[in-house]
Amino acid sequence: QQPVQSPQAVILREGEDAVINCSSSKALYSVHWYRQKHGEAPVFLMILLKGGEQKGHDKISASFNEKKQQSSLYLTASQLSYSGTYFCGENQAHKLIFGTGTRLQVFP
Amino acid sequence: DAGVTQSPTHLIKTRGQQVTLRCSPKSGHDTVSWYQQALGQGPQFIFQYYEEEERQRGNFPDRFSGHQFPNYSSELNVNALLLGDSALYLCASSGGQGRGEAFFGQGTRLTVV
Repeated sequence: QQPVQSPQAVILREGEDAVINCSSSKALYSVHWYRQKHGEAPVFLMILLKGGEQKGHDKISASFNEKKQQSSLYLTASQLSYSGTYFCGENQAHKLIFGTGTRLQVFP
Repeated sequence: DAGVTQSPTHLIKTRGQQVTLRCSPKSGHDTVSWYQQALGQGPQFIFQYYEEEERQRGNFPDRFSGHQFPNYSSELNVNALLLGDSALYLCASSGGQGRGEAFFGQGTRLTVV
């Protein structure tokens, strides 16, 4: 069973913020985040390995709450280049299971 | 660093045929995973290879098989192709016995007619 992401889609104006959530029915030991642009391969954003850990990458950060089996991705002051589909991924014994995906569109 | 390379980039096959896709991992990576991504869907895990052995497998039939070579490169074979096998096939490599982040190749677009 794959992680469930919310929302399914987000439309933003340049400079606005967004939060993407990822929930799993299984205990999470690590969470990966990827962004995939149309027609391209997924690109690794970050991995969170510890409960409550927050990591950042430029203006994109994430949190991981292992007790709630949830992770959230925070996009601050969005740029046009942030457009794409975001996937969380949970590592299940050497299987990386991708979430349902969130499509993000940023307009000028 | 060449990153993860896959070949071919596009392929058209007839139903019932067999296909082989190839992947060269990023330098220094020892683990290769294969994914199938249908249009509008997220990548679905097919299997993972480490030390030339299939270490983990997703919910795919035996028609899907693979191989990893001593240089860590890998092949994905699909037999008796069905129309539903049409998809983007992605290869991802990772280091640390598969515990690290996965780097994806550009994929092979397979169309079955």
